[in-house]
Amino acid sequence: EVQLVESGGGLVQPGGSLRLSCVASGFTFSDNWMHWVRQAPGKGLVWVSRINSDGSATDYADSVKGRFTISRDNAKNTLYLQMSSLRAEDTAVYYCARDPGPGGADYWGQGTLVTVSS
Amino acid sequence: DIQMTQSPSSLSASVGDRVTITCRASQSITTYLNWYLQKPGKAPKLLIYAASNLQSGVPSRFSGSGSGTDFTLTISSLQPEDFATYYCQHSYRSQFTFGQGTKLEIK
Repeated sequence: EVQLVESGGGLVQPGGSLRLSCVASGFTFSDNWMHWVRQAPGKGLVWVSRINSDGSATDYADSVKGRFTISRDNAKNTLYLQMSSLRAEDTAVYYCARDPGPGGADYWGQGTLVTVSS
Repeated sequence: DIQMTQSPSSLSASVGDRVTITCRASQSITTYLNWYLQKPGKAPKLLIYAASNLQSGVPSRFSGSGSGTDFTLTISSLQPEDFATYYCQHSYRSQFTFGQGTKLEIK
């Protein structure tokens, strides 16, 4: 069974940092691109970042470029999102999702809540 | 960046109705268009990928069409479990923007 389990969310002050993790199981992690997607309370889905299967290529939404870094450890089946210079508008549930290639993200984690507030 | 615009933003319909949601891209994305359903408090679920391909396990009442800039998601006969928010998303080149969502409510 494919599973994605996020962790690392919590309350952080503006300007602070946080690292999210997403542990994958039930599939060959190293064969898949991965994404981070976020959703502010009561709002729509916003794509944040993606990484290719071996970690050599990454892309970011303009709103997080230069502040967030996506990475992966294929030996540990784990995806990361290092977030720095956090702002109130980064408050959201953060989901990791698997992208097997034909199109779309077919498996998602349950999400982890990040709250940026003083 | 490519912008995705869905219409309508909200929609009221009855069980058994045929429903169509549209998604327009600000430039051509060929068929790099995906559709998701999301229920409150839950992660999104992939329905359609590459504009017209039904994701495994998704009921055949869902279908997608379009290419270039204009796309549609059609539900042929609404079921109670279909009332949710629907999102389109493009996967063209290096950005993966979502539309703003269409909330489908029971009439």
